[in-house]
Amino acid sequence: EDQVTQSPEALRLQEGESSSLNCSYTVSGLRGLFWYRQDPGKGPEFLFTLYSAGEEKEKERLKATLTKKESFLHITAPKPEDSATYLCAVLPEITTSGTYKYIFGTGTRLKVLA
Amino acid sequence: DAGVTQSPTHLIKTRGQHVTLRCSPISGHKSVSWYQQVLGQGPQFIFQYYEKEERGRGNFPDRFSARQFPNYSSELNVNALLLGDSALYLCASSPLRGGSNYGYTFGSGTRLTVV
Repeated sequence: EDQVTQSPEALRLQEGESSSLNCSYTVSGLRGLFWYRQDPGKGPEFLFTLYSAGEEKEKERLKATLTKKESFLHITAPKPEDSATYLCAVLPEITTSGTYKYIFGTGTRLKVLA
Repeated sequence: DAGVTQSPTHLIKTRGQHVTLRCSPISGHKSVSWYQQVLGQGPQFIFQYYEKEERGRGNFPDRFSARQFPNYSSELNVNALLLGDSALYLCASSPLRGGSNYGYTFGSGTRLTVV
């Protein structure tokens, strides 16, 4: 069964304290892995897409990496405005029914303290 | 450009009632998907529509139904509401059936509370 697990569930950092969020996945075949940011009461906001092992993407203080079994979201010198829930989603290879179904993890709630 | 628009933003219903949620995708996007997000959980896939046809359905009971209109807007209907249906319902649009390099674009959701 396709599955996505994120850790830790929650993370508190001091401003400037770098850390990493983990997303491990089990899928029969990976079409893509996506990172989203979600603020309270809002919909997920796209951050990155990764397609193959070894790929890396960067945006401001965020850097996403991908291996064959997991992805990491590295946050360098975070600021309070980086506080949010970070969601990881995988898009498995297309099913025989032709359904494109994103499978989300439960997210990591990040709080950055000033 | 307008993003994905969902209405209403909040809704309170009583058990057993019916609800209709609406979504307008980004102009030019032909794919609309619906996700349910229970508090503290990740979004769960409910339906995908592409070119006005159902292209996929998640593990949800038949009380859940949806449709896509000629202008690509979509409705999600839930009958015989249960307390467990309380959640944030998200609509996501994409120009392509399989999403895009930028994944899906999500709306802000409809917060449904069943009492």
